[in-house]
Amino acid sequence: GAGVSQSPSNKVTEKGKDVELRCDPISGHTALYWYRQSLGQGLEFLIYFQGNSAPDKSGLPSDRFSAERTGGSVSTLTIQRTQQEDSAVYLCASGERAIGPSTQYFGPGTRLLVL
Amino acid sequence: AQSVAQPEDQVNVAEGNPLTVKCTYSVSGNPYLFWYVQYPNRGLQFLLKYITGDNLVKGSYGFEAEFNKSQTSFHLKKPSALVSDSALYFCAVRVGSGTYKYIFGTGTRLKVLA
Repeated sequence: GAGVSQSPSNKVTEKGKDVELRCDPISGHTALYWYRQSLGQGLEFLIYFQGNSAPDKSGLPSDRFSAERTGGSVSTLTIQRTQQEDSAVYLCASGERAIGPSTQYFGPGTRLLVL
Repeated sequence: AQSVAQPEDQVNVAEGNPLTVKCTYSVSGNPYLFWYVQYPNRGLQFLLKYITGDNLVKGSYGFEAEFNKSQTSFHLKKPSALVSDSALYFCAVRVGSGTYKYIFGTGTRLKVLA
C-alpha cells in the first residue's frame, strides 16, 4: 500500500517568509509525528498527534512553529517568519496504534532551505 | 534527564566481518527501544524493536540487537557485514510511560568496505 508522503520534497524560501509543509500519513494510522533532521544533529522531535487527543507540542522550538492535523489524517507543519537556522530536513512519520510502542513509518522528508 | 546516546559518529568494517553499532539509553520506566536505518536518498526504515521478552531481538536484513538492562544498552549487530549495509543508523527510545514521544540518537554512519 501507499506509504507516508510529504510535500513539497524541496523548498527554498527567503528569510522572514512563512512556509507550510504537508504530510499524508498511511491510511488508518492514528499516530503522527514531525521531526527535524539537521546535519550532524540526528532527529529532533517536534510534535506528536495521537488520535483525537491534544497534541504533544513539547518539541516545537519556538512559537514560530505550529502544526495541525485535520480529520485525523493530513497534517500541516507551518513555520512563520523563517530563519536560516530553520534550514533542515523535516520528516513526518505515522504509526498504526494510538497506544503502545508502535513502529513509525517515515516519509521521504521535505528539505527546507532558508536563504 | 532522559536520553539516548550513540557514541560513534562513524563505524568502518570490512565486508564479511561482524559489525556492532552502539546505543545506550537513560529513561524512566520500561524502555521501548528501536533501531532505524536511513539509506542514501531514502527515508528512515524500521529495523527492529525491543518491547519485552527475549533480550536478543532479530530484525530485518539479518540485523539483531541485544537489550542489556544492567548496562542500559541496545547495541545493533550483524554477524557478516555487506557493502549494501552502508547507511546511517539511528537508535530511538520511548520517553517514559504514558507518552508516545520518542527521542532519537544522533546517528552512526556505517561504512562497509569491500
